[in-house]
Parts: sequence; C-alpha cells; structure tokens
Amino acid sequence: KAGVTQTPRYLIKTRGQQVTLSCSPISGHRSVSWYQQTPGQGLQFLFEYFSETQRNKGNFPGRFSGRQFSNSRSEMNVSTLELGDSALYLCASSRGGVGNEQFFGPGTRLTVL
Amino acid sequence: GNSVTQMEGPVTLSEEAFLTINCTYTATGYPSLFWYVQYPGEGLQLLLKATKADDKGSNKGFEATYRKETTSFHLEKGSVQVSDSAVYFCALRMEYGNKLVFGAGTILRVKS
Repeated sequence: KAGVTQTPRYLIKTRGQQVTLSCSPISGHRSVSWYQQTPGQGLQFLFEYFSETQRNKGNFPGRFSGRQFSNSRSEMNVSTLELGDSALYLCASSRGGVGNEQFFGPGTRLTVL
Repeated sequence: GNSVTQMEGPVTLSEEAFLTINCTYTATGYPSLFWYVQYPGEGLQLLLKATKADDKGSNKGFEATYRKETTSFHLEKGSVQVSDSAVYFCALRMEYGNKLVFGAGTILRVKS
C-alpha cells in the first residue's frame, strides 16, 4: 500500500509570492491534516480536512488556506509569502474517525527568499 | 491550553546505553499520548502510543507508560543502537479530535 505522498518535495519562492502544496493520502483515508515544522516554533497544527470540509483549524493567519477534493487529495495554499513561512510542511492522513492513527508524509521543504 | 513539554537535547549516548527522554503534558480532559520519531529528511513515524492512564506503549524495544498522577509519558529503551539516532517527539491528542499537539522534540545521537 502506497504511503502518503507530498509534492513537490522542495520549493524555493520569494517574498510576496504564493505557493500551493499537494498531499495525496493513503488509499481509503478520508482525513488529511497539515502541520508546519520550524526550528523556532516546532510542529504546529494548521488544519484538518475530512470529506472536503475543514473540520479543525489551528492558529494561523488567513494567508494559510487549504482544500480537499472528492478523491481526498488535499492542497494547502500560502499567499503573500513571508520569510517566516520557510518551513517543512507535513501532511498526515487517517481513515477519518476521531482517534484513527495518522500517517505522515515526507513533507515539502519551503524556502522563502 | 493543552501542551507538551519534553527534555531539551541533544542527548548523546554510547551504543548499548540506557535511554530516557522525559515528557510531561498539560491537558484538560483525557488525552491519548504518543511518541513519534523523525529520521533525517523524512516525515514522522509513530513509535508508540497509550490511550488511557497506566497503559504502556511499546515498540522496537522502546517503552512509555501513561502516568496520570504525574502527567508524564517518559520514553525509555534499555540498550540504544546507532540506528536509533533521530529526533523524538512526544505528542498528545484530545479525545474529541485528531489534532496532535507536539513537544519541541529531542535530538538523540548514539555513538558507536
């Protein structure tokens, strides 16, 4: 069974640009969560999508948004990039019920110059 | 709010040494507790978990016991290997959602 895949793996952008990251969950999984990992703030929850609906949201500005498609693939978008958005963005998928184990992808490394 | 505190690293040990990484949590309610491991260049892998007080999670020689009275979930291994070198994250998840709250992570370096 294929694991969680994230594309692209590496990305370099400049301040002010926007970026879209993609996450394909494990087949049969309906929930996708996104996390930001930085050296200063550690791992922080961004949002969770389940059946194309945002089910939970972390404490990030509105520049961070996401969506989920009918095949459970998810994208997150960051607009008006800032230097502080440089991070490893991880997505995790699960079957969808509360308490199901989450499986993490390898992450997308975003560098903002 | 809910939070996790884990010991700062890096922790440097010789092969076959005993490992303890301390983790304590603050939560209103009844969280499940987890240890995740991150190898260089990779995402997070679930190492072990415990869903209620006094549960012991174990995997690959690692163990942790959910202690409600001390709000702790310390990770232990009797004999570490060089291949255990990684970053270890303690995390909690509340009973009403899937959001994981992570500690800052502890770097473990094992020398041969």
